[in-house]
Amino acid sequence: AQRVTQPEKLLSVFKGAPVELKCNYSYSGSPELFWYVQYSRQRLQLLLRHISRESIKGFTADLNKGETSFHLKKPFAQEEDSAMYYCALSAAGGFKTIFGAGTRLFVKA
Amino acid sequence: DAGVIQSPRHEVTEMGQEVTLRCKPISGHDYLFWYRQTMMRGLELLIYFNNNVPIDDSGMPEDRFSAKMPNASFSTLKIQPSEPRDSAVYFCASSLGTGGTGELFFGEGSRLTVL
Repeated sequence: AQRVTQPEKLLSVFKGAPVELKCNYSYSGSPELFWYVQYSRQRLQLLLRHISRESIKGFTADLNKGETSFHLKKPFAQEEDSAMYYCALSAAGGFKTIFGAGTRLFVKA
Repeated sequence: DAGVIQSPRHEVTEMGQEVTLRCKPISGHDYLFWYRQTMMRGLELLIYFNNNVPIDDSGMPEDRFSAKMPNASFSTLKIQPSEPRDSAVYFCASSLGTGGTGELFFGEGSRLTVL
């Protein structure tokens, strides 16, 4: 069965500090992993996909198949990064997408 | 394109009443998803459609919940009768299937409060 686990409901860091939002998944096949973000008063939107291997707004995420993890990282957090972050998984080539419970990131000045 | 459009944005109703949430996906997208967002459980997939056909409704919590997609540009999620524990934000999302990137495009959500 597919499962996405985000162990932290709330993460609070100071501006300029590194941030890591954890995501672990369970899936027997080859997954595609995503991070979505929901800023205040905005729609939930895609932040990045593991296949793209890109950095968006300074965020990166590496798929670690051995540890079944897809943690989201940023070396220097900014106040505008405060938002709700969801890790998501779909089967490679498939379209059913499931989400974790989400982590609320709060970046303090 | 205005993106995925959901209505109503807010709904307050009393226990036992019927609730109907509506969604218009992005034109050309052939997948449509309904999710429920709560503080405790995050985003739960309720059901999704491909080319207007329900593919997986295993996330629908009970028989009180039903969803339809009569055509490519419209879907409804109905709760009858509603209960206080159904209070949540319900999101609709659409995606382009084959040829797409797997990205979901979300509506602004319908916040349901059942008293």
